[in-house]
Amino acid sequence: GAGVSQSPSNKVTEKGKDVELRCDPISGHTALYWYRQSLGQGLEFLIYFQGNSAPDKSGLPSDRFSAERTGGSVSTLTIQRTQQEDSAVYLCASSPSLTGGRSGELFFGEGSRLTVL
Amino acid sequence: AQTVTQSQPEMSVQEAETVTLSCTYDTSESDYYLFWYKQPPSRQMILVIRQEAYKQQNATENRFSVNFQKAAKSFSLKISDSQLGDAAMYFCAYSRYNNDMRFGAGTRLTVKP
Repeated sequence: GAGVSQSPSNKVTEKGKDVELRCDPISGHTALYWYRQSLGQGLEFLIYFQGNSAPDKSGLPSDRFSAERTGGSVSTLTIQRTQQEDSAVYLCASSPSLTGGRSGELFFGEGSRLTVL
Repeated sequence: AQTVTQSQPEMSVQEAETVTLSCTYDTSESDYYLFWYKQPPSRQMILVIRQEAYKQQNATENRFSVNFQKAAKSFSLKISDSQLGDAAMYFCAYSRYNNDMRFGAGTRLTVKP
């Protein structure tokens, strides 16, 4: 597709279960981001991938959260032993590589809504 | 750390009228970028307008314009001739480079017919 694709769109799970959220960025975009959006809150930065560089994991809230990006394309965000406070919309975004350190537009997916019962 | 503050959780405007959404940010940098993103009920965030801090001229995109006050660290969004399709959450964002985009808490805009 032409845009950022995320799956599943909605996920309901029981407390303590593991979940995987998938993001397929726009083809050719080298940068990929995960954000978390809780009800009534802004976007909380989680993790950032840029090409083959080591990811910036500074936003991950705990060691239950991890993410990988295979082949510089698809990314999976994994939450282990889910807790009720993990309930949120998880947004993925990608952007093309820009020269000179300029900041450009992020292209977002529609998000994955996670509900932990 | 850079922070972005949107002090208006909710705003309302009459169709065809003008509304201004406020945003302030905190940074010690002189070169950076500011953005307004729109998030309709479909959840997909889309870029509305972008401002580069080194540019003194305020950015404009059709009915959307900004009032960028660098010294005051203020970046407000003005929507003219509001339309029903403008109803959404609006997020202000700050970034120096792509890997540090920070968002405000958002303002929910309602457009009344």
